[in-house]
Amino acid sequence: DAGVIQSPRHEVTEMGQEVTLRCKPISGHNSLFWYRQTMMRGLELLIYFNNNVPIDDSGMPEDRFSAKMPNASFSTLKIQPSEPRDSAVYFCASSAPTGGYGELFFGEGSRLTVL
Amino acid sequence: GDSVTQMEGPVTLSEEAFLTINCTYTATGYPSLFWYVQYPGEGLQLLLKATKADDKGSNKGFEATYRKETTSFHLEKGSVQVSDSAVYFCAPRGSGGGADGLTFGKGTHLIIQP
Repeated sequence: DAGVIQSPRHEVTEMGQEVTLRCKPISGHNSLFWYRQTMMRGLELLIYFNNNVPIDDSGMPEDRFSAKMPNASFSTLKIQPSEPRDSAVYFCASSAPTGGYGELFFGEGSRLTVL
Repeated sequence: GDSVTQMEGPVTLSEEAFLTINCTYTATGYPSLFWYVQYPGEGLQLLLKATKADDKGSNKGFEATYRKETTSFHLEKGSVQVSDSAVYFCAPRGSGGGADGLTFGKGTHLIIQP
């Protein structure tokens, strides 16, 4: 079975440009999570969706960040405009309907570099 | 909500040494407990889990026992290999609902030297 699929794997862009990261969760999973990982702050939860509905976005750093989940098989994380401090690895994860007790399945990540 | 305490490291050991990475958690209820591992350049993947008190999770020679009385889930391996070099994350999940158990922090960076 395919795991969580993220694209692009690597993105290099210039400050001020729009960045869109994409995620396809595992089929049948009903929760989706976006994380950001940096050396300084570790792995931080940005936002998570349950049944395509955003449940908690308190980790989204500021209004430049937005996330959508138009259907059960696709989600995007957008940064507009991007800044150098947004450089990080962004992970998407999904989990099955287990009432909140199940494991998370992570994608390979999207490494973003903003120059 | 759920939270976890584990050392960040780096923890440096020689090959074939015994490994212990301590993990203690706080939770209002009865969470499931997980250890995840992140190899260089990859995402996190589940290493082992335990869902109730005194359960032992095991995988790839690693073990951890769900200790409710001490709220701990220490990771152990009897003889580590260079290939075990990675970052390890302890994660309780489930008792508080919402975003509880969904923040991983920096994990423990393990370096195994030949």
